[in-house]
Amino acid sequence: NAGVTQTPKFRVLKTGQSMTLLCAQDMNHEYMYWYRQDPGMGLRLIHYSVGEGTTAKGEVPDGYNVSRLKKQNFLLGLESAAPSQTSVYFCASSYSGPSGVYNEQFFGPGTRLTVL
Amino acid sequence: ELKVEQNPLFLSMQEGKNYTIYCNYSTTSDRLYWYRQDPGKSLESLFVLLSNGAVKQEGRLMASLDTKARLSTLHITAAVHDLSATYFCAVLNAGKSTFGDGTTLTVKP
Repeated sequence: NAGVTQTPKFRVLKTGQSMTLLCAQDMNHEYMYWYRQDPGMGLRLIHYSVGEGTTAKGEVPDGYNVSRLKKQNFLLGLESAAPSQTSVYFCASSYSGPSGVYNEQFFGPGTRLTVL
Repeated sequence: ELKVEQNPLFLSMQEGKNYTIYCNYSTTSDRLYWYRQDPGKSLESLFVLLSNGAVKQEGRLMASLDTKARLSTLHITAAVHDLSATYFCAVLNAGKSTFGDGTTLTVKP
Protein backbone atom coordinates (compact mmCIF):
# COMPACT_ATOMS: atom_id res chain seq x y z
CA ASN A 1 0.00 0.00 0.00
CA ALA A 2 1.22 3.49 -0.86
CA GLY A 3 -0.69 5.08 2.03
CA VAL A 4 -1.26 8.79 1.44
CA THR A 5 0.43 10.38 -1.55
CA GLN A 6 0.56 14.01 -2.64
CA THR A 7 1.27 15.60 -5.99
CA PRO A 8 3.33 17.69 -6.63
CA LYS A 9 6.09 17.69 -4.00
CA PHE A 10 7.29 21.20 -4.82
CA ARG A 11 5.80 24.12 -6.74
CA VAL A 12 6.62 27.76 -7.32
CA LEU A 13 3.80 30.06 -8.42
CA LYS A 14 3.54 33.70 -9.30
CA THR A 15 0.94 35.84 -7.55
CA GLY A 16 -2.43 35.40 -9.21
CA GLN A 17 -1.72 32.00 -10.74
CA SER A 18 -3.90 29.03 -9.96
CA MET A 19 -3.06 25.42 -9.19
CA THR A 20 -4.48 22.22 -7.80
CA LEU A 21 -2.86 19.92 -5.26
CA LEU A 22 -3.83 16.27 -5.42
CA CYS A 23 -4.06 13.91 -2.47
CA ALA A 24 -4.70 10.21 -2.90
CA GLN A 25 -5.12 7.44 -0.32
CA ASP A 26 -5.47 3.71 -0.82
CA MET A 27 -6.64 2.78 2.69
CA ASN A 28 -10.37 3.21 2.01
CA HIS A 29 -10.56 5.97 4.62
CA GLU A 30 -13.73 8.02 4.87
CA TYR A 31 -12.19 11.19 6.27
CA MET A 32 -9.64 13.33 4.44
CA TYR A 33 -8.04 16.61 5.47
CA TRP A 34 -5.93 19.43 4.10
CA TYR A 35 -3.59 21.30 6.47
CA ARG A 36 -1.03 24.00 6.06
CA GLN A 37 2.11 24.27 8.17
CA ASP A 38 3.99 27.54 8.53
CA PRO A 39 7.42 27.88 10.15
CA GLY A 40 7.36 27.40 13.91
CA MET A 41 3.70 26.52 13.96
CA GLY A 42 1.54 23.49 14.16
CA LEU A 43 -0.80 22.38 11.45
CA ARG A 44 -3.89 24.43 10.70
CA LEU A 45 -6.89 22.78 9.11
CA ILE A 46 -7.96 24.29 5.77
CA HIS A 47 -10.81 22.03 4.66
CA TYR A 48 -11.86 18.50 5.34
CA SER A 49 -14.19 15.85 3.99
CA VAL A 50 -16.23 13.24 5.81
CA GLY A 51 -16.96 11.24 2.68
CA GLU A 52 -17.22 11.22 -1.08
CA GLY A 53 -19.04 14.28 -2.36
CA THR A 54 -18.90 16.19 0.94
CA THR A 55 -16.56 18.93 2.13
CA ALA A 56 -16.44 21.33 5.07
CA LYS A 57 -14.45 24.38 6.12
CA GLY A 58 -11.71 24.17 8.67
CA GLU A 59 -9.85 26.85 10.58
CA VAL A 60 -8.30 28.75 7.62
CA PRO A 61 -10.44 28.12 4.49
CA ASP A 62 -10.21 31.52 2.77
CA GLY A 63 -8.50 31.47 -0.62
CA TYR A 64 -8.85 27.71 -1.04
CA ASN A 65 -11.43 25.37 -2.53
CA VAL A 66 -11.66 21.60 -2.35
CA SER A 67 -13.41 18.73 -4.05
CA ARG A 68 -13.92 15.07 -3.17
CA LEU A 69 -15.37 13.49 -6.30
CA LYS A 70 -13.90 10.09 -5.51
CA LYS A 71 -13.44 8.54 -2.09
CA GLN A 72 -9.73 8.03 -2.59
CA ASN A 73 -8.93 11.56 -3.84
CA PHE A 74 -9.11 14.98 -2.21
CA LEU A 75 -8.14 18.04 -4.28
CA LEU A 76 -7.09 21.42 -2.94
CA GLY A 77 -7.34 24.38 -5.30
CA LEU A 78 -5.86 27.84 -5.18
CA GLU A 79 -7.73 30.05 -7.63
CA SER A 80 -5.51 33.14 -7.32
CA ALA A 81 -2.37 32.46 -5.35
CA ALA A 82 -1.03 35.03 -2.89
CA PRO A 83 2.35 35.23 -1.13
CA SER A 84 0.55 34.57 2.17
CA GLN A 85 -0.22 31.09 0.85
CA THR A 86 3.45 30.16 0.79
CA SER A 87 3.52 27.15 3.08
CA VAL A 88 3.90 23.42 3.33
CA TYR A 89 0.62 21.64 2.66
CA PHE A 90 -0.14 18.27 4.20
CA CYS A 91 -2.96 15.96 3.34
CA ALA A 92 -4.17 13.35 5.81
CA SER A 93 -6.78 10.62 5.96
CA SER A 94 -8.35 8.71 8.81
CA TYR A 95 -10.76 5.97 9.76
CA SER A 96 -14.47 6.58 10.05
CA GLY A 97 -14.41 9.71 12.17
CA PRO A 98 -15.60 10.63 15.66
CA SER A 99 -17.52 7.39 16.09
CA GLY A 100 -14.56 5.31 14.95
CA VAL A 101 -12.35 3.56 17.45
CA TYR A 102 -9.15 5.48 16.92
CA ASN A 103 -9.52 8.12 14.18
CA GLU A 104 -5.75 8.15 13.84
CA GLN A 105 -4.66 10.37 10.95
CA PHE A 106 -2.16 9.21 8.36
CA PHE A 107 -0.25 12.01 6.69
CA GLY A 108 1.12 12.44 3.20
CA PRO A 109 4.70 13.61 2.55
CA GLY A 110 3.71 17.24 2.00
CA THR A 111 3.81 19.79 -0.82
CA ARG A 112 6.14 22.74 -0.47
CA LEU A 113 4.52 25.74 -2.20
CA THR A 114 6.16 29.10 -2.77
CA VAL A 115 4.18 32.03 -4.14
CA LEU A 116 6.30 34.89 -5.47
CA GLU B 1 -12.78 27.93 19.95
CA LEU B 2 -10.52 25.09 20.96
CA LYS B 3 -7.00 26.15 21.89
CA VAL B 4 -4.08 23.79 22.35
CA GLU B 5 -0.92 24.96 24.09
CA GLN B 6 2.31 23.04 24.32
CA ASN B 7 5.25 23.82 26.52
CA PRO B 8 8.06 24.14 26.26
CA LEU B 9 8.31 25.08 22.58
CA PHE B 10 12.02 24.34 22.52
CA LEU B 11 13.85 21.80 24.63
CA SER B 12 17.53 20.98 24.65
CA MET B 13 18.45 17.90 26.64
CA GLN B 14 21.52 15.87 27.32
CA GLU B 15 21.51 12.20 26.52
CA GLY B 16 20.40 10.09 29.43
CA LYS B 17 18.22 12.75 31.03
CA ASN B 18 14.47 12.69 31.60
CA TYR B 19 11.98 15.40 30.71
CA THR B 20 8.28 16.03 30.18
CA ILE B 21 6.42 17.93 27.47
CA TYR B 22 3.03 19.35 28.41
CA CYS B 23 -0.08 19.79 26.29
CA ASN B 24 -2.97 21.83 27.67
CA TYR B 25 -6.28 22.25 25.86
CA SER B 26 -9.23 24.52 26.47
CA THR B 27 -12.39 22.46 25.91
CA THR B 28 -13.57 18.90 26.20
CA SER B 29 -12.06 16.52 23.73
CA ASP B 30 -13.00 13.27 22.04
CA ARG B 31 -9.40 12.09 22.06
CA LEU B 32 -5.82 13.29 21.99
CA TYR B 33 -2.92 12.42 19.71
CA TRP B 34 0.82 12.79 19.81
CA TYR B 35 2.81 13.02 16.59
CA ARG B 36 6.48 13.23 15.72
CA GLN B 37 7.91 15.25 12.84
CA ASP B 38 11.52 15.07 11.66
CA PRO B 39 12.92 18.12 9.81
CA GLY B 40 11.54 18.34 6.29
CA LYS B 41 9.40 15.25 6.80
CA SER B 42 5.77 14.44 7.36
CA LEU B 43 4.07 13.63 10.66
CA GLU B 44 4.22 10.19 12.21
CA SER B 45 1.62 9.06 14.70
CA LEU B 46 3.00 8.12 18.13
CA PHE B 47 0.05 7.72 20.48
CA VAL B 48 -3.71 7.93 20.55
CA LEU B 49 -5.23 8.57 23.99
CA LEU B 50 -8.90 7.85 24.29
CA SER B 51 -9.99 8.35 27.87
CA ASN B 52 -9.17 9.84 31.23
CA GLY B 53 -6.22 8.16 32.85
CA ALA B 54 -5.02 6.60 29.61
CA VAL B 55 -1.32 5.84 29.54
CA LYS B 56 0.61 4.55 26.56
CA GLN B 57 4.31 3.71 26.29
CA GLU B 58 6.58 3.03 23.37
CA GLY B 59 10.27 2.68 24.04
CA ARG B 60 11.55 5.78 25.86
CA LEU B 61 8.32 7.73 25.35
CA MET B 62 5.25 7.59 27.57
CA ALA B 63 2.08 9.60 27.06
CA SER B 64 -0.73 10.17 29.52
CA LEU B 65 -4.06 11.95 29.54
CA ASP B 66 -5.97 13.72 32.32
CA THR B 67 -9.26 14.89 30.83
CA LYS B 68 -10.36 16.60 34.02
CA ALA B 69 -7.30 18.83 34.00
CA ARG B 70 -7.39 19.00 30.16
CA LEU B 71 -3.75 18.01 30.17
CA SER B 72 -1.63 15.47 28.38
CA THR B 73 2.03 14.79 29.01
CA LEU B 74 4.73 13.18 26.91
CA HIS B 75 7.50 11.90 29.14
CA ILE B 76 10.95 11.14 27.78
CA THR B 77 13.09 8.69 29.70
CA ALA B 78 16.87 8.52 29.28
CA ALA B 79 16.88 10.56 26.10
CA VAL B 80 18.95 9.49 23.10
CA HIS B 81 19.95 11.49 20.01
CA ASP B 82 17.45 9.63 17.81
CA LEU B 83 14.61 11.28 19.74
CA SER B 84 15.57 14.69 18.37
CA ALA B 85 12.49 15.90 16.45
CA THR B 86 9.44 18.13 16.83
CA TYR B 87 6.57 16.67 18.81
CA PHE B 88 3.00 17.81 18.33
CA CYS B 89 -0.09 17.12 20.34
CA ALA B 90 -3.46 17.37 18.63
CA VAL B 91 -6.91 17.39 20.17
CA LEU B 92 -9.94 15.97 18.39
CA ASN B 93 -13.21 17.77 18.91
CA ALA B 94 -16.34 17.51 16.77
CA GLY B 95 -14.47 15.64 14.06
CA LYS B 96 -11.67 18.15 13.64
CA SER B 97 -8.15 18.08 15.03
CA THR B 98 -6.50 21.19 16.48
CA PHE B 99 -2.72 21.05 16.79
CA GLY B 100 -0.37 22.64 19.28
CA ASP B 101 2.58 24.63 17.95
CA GLY B 102 4.97 21.78 18.61
CA THR B 103 7.94 21.17 20.90
CA THR B 104 11.30 20.99 19.16
CA LEU B 105 13.49 18.58 21.06
CA THR B 106 17.26 18.49 20.62
CA VAL B 107 19.16 15.75 22.42
CA LYS B 108 22.86 16.45 22.79
CA PRO B 109 25.62 13.94 23.56
